[in-house]
Amino acid sequence: KQEVTQIPAALSVPEGENLVLNCSFTDSAIYNLQWFRQDPGKGLTSLLLIQSSQREQTSGRLNASLDKSSGRSTLYIAASQPGDSATYLCAVRGLGSSNTGKLIFGQGTTLQVKP
Amino acid sequence: DAGVTQSPTHLIKTRGQQVTLRCSPKSGHDTVSWYQQALGQGPQFIFQYYEEEERQRGNFPDRFSGHQFPNYSSELNVNALLLGDSALYLCASSEAWDTGELFFGEGSRLTVL
Repeated sequence: KQEVTQIPAALSVPEGENLVLNCSFTDSAIYNLQWFRQDPGKGLTSLLLIQSSQREQTSGRLNASLDKSSGRSTLYIAASQPGDSATYLCAVRGLGSSNTGKLIFGQGTTLQVKP
Repeated sequence: DAGVTQSPTHLIKTRGQQVTLRCSPKSGHDTVSWYQQALGQGPQFIFQYYEEEERQRGNFPDRFSGHQFPNYSSELNVNALLLGDSALYLCASSEAWDTGELFFGEGSRLTVL
């Protein structure tokens, strides 16, 4: 059974810092991995999607890497800003007809960037 | 281009009642999935609809049911509400049922008293 873990659960940093959010998964048989951002009480905004054959994806100040063999992904945020404060969730899509239709989520890392 | 839209945004029900939540997918998407997110937790997969059929289901009781219409919109129904059903219910849509990137709506916040 696939399990996704995100560490740390919460993180507080001063503005301008570069930071790394971690995501680990127990079953390496994944189709892709997706990173989301969630503001309090709101829905999920897709940030980056990494296919299992890819090593990383970049969008602006965000860079996500994937090491499928070790079951890990990291989300790197460069030059953090107060507007980056949110909860960041990673989710994996498994392989096989019984798994590919759903995402398995971690519990998220809540980030606070202080001015 | 409208994204995923959900209604209502908030609602309050009492134990034992029934609720229907609605979702319209992003333009061009034919697959709709529903997730339940309890406070402080990651979303949990409820079920997925494609071609008007439930294609996959998570570990939720039969009190949770759904429907997909020919225009790809979807409903989530929950019967015999329990206090533990209080959560944010998220709808997501994608271009393909098994591989597409998921796009989420803003959610429906259900409170059961």
